Amino acid sequence: QSALTQPASVSGSPGQSITISCTGGSSDIGDYNYVSWYQQHPGKAPKLMIYEVSHRPSGISNRFSGSKSGNTASLTISGLQAEDEADYYCNSYTSTSTRVFGGGTKLTVL
Amino acid sequence: QVQLVQSGAEVKKPGASVKVSCKASGYNFRAYNIHWVRQVPGQGLEWMGWINPDSGGTNYAQKFQARVTMTRDTSINTVYMELSRLRSDDTAVYYCARDPSISAFDYWGQGTLVTVSS
Repeated sequence: QSALTQPASVSGSPGQSITISCTGGSSDIGDYNYVSWYQQHPGKAPKLMIYEVSHRPSGISNRFSGSKSGNTASLTISGLQAEDEADYYCNSYTSTSTRVFGGGTKLTVL
Repeated sequence: QVQLVQSGAEVKKPGASVKVSCKASGYNFRAYNIHWVRQVPGQGLEWMGWINPDSGGTNYAQKFQARVTMTRDTSINTVYMELSRLRSDDTAVYYCARDPSISAFDYWGQGTLVTVSS
């Protein structure tokens, strides 16, 4: 199972919106609505931000939203804040009941 | 509150095995699969496999199939991940994470650094 494809880096200024894409295939993202997104700050464990493509866990800001089209999922962060600077990873369920992560995207808030 | 508490850092020699524990509390241990995820320093997250604490059933990533074993002890609400035939490129932080359905990992352990060095 190959890793999902994410851009290595994205950046934006405070207050702006950014979108991170996550591309898989028909055996993962394309066939299941079980895409999740994680935020990871340096030296910390990952934190769940979005599950089942577009659902936010309790306590996660509504500035974070998720969507999916075909084999590509996306995470959008609106109203960028300095504390959003982190690494972001997508994850998908697969046809073999395994999971696969994306390579990660480093978000820089300018 | 839900907590996953992992065992401490380990230093191993190449060819040895390591066994990392993950003790769960604050929820019904048998009701949620536990996954293991690793992160090589400076690199991304890599999924290793899951264990069903109720049945003991497992599913491993193909990459680790021959070297990883996940087990559980329901009497102490703990799952274990053992990785054998360690190599230097197994040096990583290993995380356990809870799976509330099949959709995501909602709680994570603090991570265990395993260093493989001669």
